[in-house]
Amino acid sequence: QVQLVQSGPEVKKPGSSVKVSCKAFGGSFSNNAISWVRQAPGQGLEWMGGIIPSVDTPNYAQKFQGRVTITADEFTSTAYMELSSLRSEDTAVYYCARLNGYSSSWWIPTPPIGMDVWGQGTTVTVSS
Amino acid sequence: QSALTQPASVSGSPGQSITISCTGPSSDIGGYNFVSWYQQHPGNAPKLLIYDVGHRPSGVSNRFSASEAGNTASLTISGLQAEDEADYYCSSYTSSNPLLIFGGGTKLTVL
Repeated sequence: QVQLVQSGPEVKKPGSSVKVSCKAFGGSFSNNAISWVRQAPGQGLEWMGGIIPSVDTPNYAQKFQGRVTITADEFTSTAYMELSSLRSEDTAVYYCARLNGYSSSWWIPTPPIGMDVWGQGTTVTVSS
Repeated sequence: QSALTQPASVSGSPGQSITISCTGPSSDIGGYNFVSWYQQHPGNAPKLLIYDVGHRPSGVSNRFSASEAGNTASLTISGLQAEDEADYYCSSYTSSNPLLIFGGGTKLTVL
């Protein structure tokens, strides 16, 4: 069964960037999408975007477009999420998750659809 | 795209059943049958409970069931146990942007 292991906590200054990694162990990496979901303190879940490693095609939520870059390295089975122009409101736990059901560059859903494997989360704190 | 609407909190006693609703645009919920539900205990990552409206991944208790009617999806937990106390989120595919949206979350308290 695949496991997703994320990089450690980060403390960043406003205006800077952060890059979080998500490495897959023990299973298929390329044939499923990897999603990034964040959770601000005491708040709910928010989908930021994802990537399908086999076709190297990202999909970004409009809210983050222009600030987020999601990439994947098939050789190391690692996905990355970089968020730039950080502000205090970006303080959150960032999760990667395997998103089943998407394998084409058009992001057409093919059931079953669900995020069935999650990383442990990476805390990003933005503070001056 | 607005988040899906869930009640902020629900509660129930051990052994009882509770239902959490999730309402959204009919173009999303009800349009594709791609609703999933997640359970999150404090300090932990979410866990997939239900996918494609009513399917359970292997290892998830059959005390968890889900359905959909019109633009409302529902998660039912029967035979409540203390360990069910957690936050629950619904999520749906959308045909626009963002690709996936979540509900605001429902805090379940087992009395």
